[in-house]
Amino acid sequence: EPEVTQTPSHQVTQMGQEVILRCVPISNHLYFYWYRQILGQKVEFLVSFYNNEISEKSEIFDDQFSVERPDGSNFTLKIRSTKLEDSAMYFCASSAWEGFNTEAFFGQGTRLTVV
Amino acid sequence: KNEVEQSPQNLTAQEGEFITINCSYSVGISALHWLQQHPGGGIVSLFMLSSGKKKHGRLIATINIQEKHSSLHITASHPRDSAVYICAVRSRTGGATNKLIFGTGTLLAVQP
Repeated sequence: EPEVTQTPSHQVTQMGQEVILRCVPISNHLYFYWYRQILGQKVEFLVSFYNNEISEKSEIFDDQFSVERPDGSNFTLKIRSTKLEDSAMYFCASSAWEGFNTEAFFGQGTRLTVV
Repeated sequence: KNEVEQSPQNLTAQEGEFITINCSYSVGISALHWLQQHPGGGIVSLFMLSSGKKKHGRLIATINIQEKHSSLHITASHPRDSAVYICAVRSRTGGATNKLIFGTGTLLAVQP
């Protein structure tokens, strides 16, 4: 069964460092998302991406965040200068098309710990 | 106020019990998802609903669009059902991007 894969599963980084979280969406999907879940809190939307551009972003997704689809398969989230409060589980998701009946498939998540 | 509310927040059941988790939402939606999150953190989609009822094995999900309410039922619960169950809605807005708005989740523990 096709799946969304994320790497690494766990990343520890020093405050102020840049991190890149990687995702390989399902191959024929067109819409890509990043979500974040701070420990003990609900999952929050960060950004959606379609046709090589951001289609929507939340107020969390400030200038220190960026997303990219550098080739035909990877979808990355970059955090330029990490802060302690960026520590969270980051989930990538993809869906085949835009429409009410579209299912989203989630990766297993990357646990980011900023120290 | 959260756009998606779940109840209860925590639920402990005995093996074999019938379980109901409720979700209410305040926005217009195009679809509602029930998701399962295990202790390792990964999220698995259980159901996507836009109307009526769906059944998969021991899981049943229903939605009432007029009342803005959905329920997830687990019949003959088993300890392996222990997880966090999350309700998430796809808001029906102009230029919808399919982003999901999540509830806070219901932590279910099924004891043998």
